[in-house]
Amino acid sequence: GESVGLHLPTLSVQEGDNSIINCAYSNSASDYFIWYKQESGKGPQFIIDIRSNMDKRQGQRVTVLLNKTVKHLSLQIAATQPGDSAVYFCAENIPGFQKLVFGTGTRLLVSP
Amino acid sequence: DAGITQSPRYKITETGRQVTLMCHQTWSHSYMFWYRQDLGHGLRLIYYSAAADITDKGEVPDGYVVSRSKTENFPLTLESATRSQTSVYFCASSDGQGRNQPQHFGDGTRLSIL
Repeated sequence: GESVGLHLPTLSVQEGDNSIINCAYSNSASDYFIWYKQESGKGPQFIIDIRSNMDKRQGQRVTVLLNKTVKHLSLQIAATQPGDSAVYFCAENIPGFQKLVFGTGTRLLVSP
Repeated sequence: DAGITQSPRYKITETGRQVTLMCHQTWSHSYMFWYRQDLGHGLRLIYYSAAADITDKGEVPDGYVVSRSKTENFPLTLESATRSQTSVYFCASSDGQGRNQPQHFGDGTRLSIL
């Protein structure tokens, strides 16, 4: 099948560990951010989002942190499971642009 | 909750042929989008639509045509397919144009042009 990205950065973790995936975004004016998960052969799946007036948001087993000073976004996954293995990428909304801007992603590999 | 569906899932065609990729969403979202995903490029926007009968170009529109006569459907047509259009195509929809609303994606159409 197709591969989203053979040369993506890869994070390898053991089952049960916490995972941190990072994203550097491009525009200091970006006001909304989204994390997506993409499994092989599937479309991107929404995980969690955050607005620029927040610096942290929590979901079920996931936390997104936003550092606007250094234009950095991170996704923390608690107690990582084999089913979390996928490519994760962030997207930012730049006001005035007619689209979301997507990063190229990080591959997460979870070993049992 | 059917969500957003794309058809066909796989398609092989020849250069110069016309091919149409279908996208259907059941959420009544106003915005719909077409992306292509290629190695090393991430998701690139081809066209988007803010509502029925309103469409606009994205980052890589050349060689593609879209229409949106109904809110729920947003077909993408390659009028004369070229090998460079071999890619995975994703359709997405949202309630807003990135205005604090996530886009929700279909599972894609894998298109090969020989």
